[in-house]
Amino acid sequence: AQSVTQLGSHVSVSEGALVLLRCNYSSSVPPYLFWYVQYPNQGLQLLLKYTSAATLVKGINGFEAEFKKSETSFHLTKPSAHMSDAAEYFCAVTIYGNNRLAFGKGNQVVVIP
Amino acid sequence: GAVVSQHPSRVICKSGTSVKIECRSLDFQATTMFWYRQFPKQSLMLMATSNEGSKATYEQGVEKDKFLINHASLTLSTLTVTSAHPEDSSFYICSASRGQNTGELFFGEGSRLTVL
Repeated sequence: AQSVTQLGSHVSVSEGALVLLRCNYSSSVPPYLFWYVQYPNQGLQLLLKYTSAATLVKGINGFEAEFKKSETSFHLTKPSAHMSDAAEYFCAVTIYGNNRLAFGKGNQVVVIP
Repeated sequence: GAVVSQHPSRVICKSGTSVKIECRSLDFQATTMFWYRQFPKQSLMLMATSNEGSKATYEQGVEKDKFLINHASLTLSTLTVTSAHPEDSSFYICSASRGQNTGELFFGEGSRLTVL
């Protein structure tokens, strides 16, 4: 079965600083990887996805992630944090033909003015 | 496109009553829908997979008789929490697949259930 690991439940970042959220995956077959954002009392919104095309994936709101097979990683970055980036971020994994996502524990991002 | 709507967004009920939550795909046909439960400050826990016209597949440890799932059409799945108790209080989220097997899911806004 596939799984993802997100370390550090709470991440504090200063406004204007780099946002880096780490995600490592485990999968015996090529994975499909996703980053979702969740605002309080809301559902999940897709930020970006990797489905075996380009390894550097650009998403919405200035976020991007790079798939590194050698490191089994799919870290999420944004060059300059904005106050509106304060939210919960989830990494998720699945494989082709399977829509059952396995989610990481999430990162609560706090942006400090 | 690809909008999924949940209703109600918030519901408060008395212990022992049943509550129904609806999940609708507004602009596409969803062959498969998923139901999740999310505890405060935690990740999403998959409860069951709902396929149109067939019985739902429940994850291990999820009570089928407690959480009734019906997927009667390609745009609607419902989750009924039967004989609700305070420990059933949680945030319930649905998601839908367009059947493209890419793993991309579209999520509803979530439903906050509080059982008094």
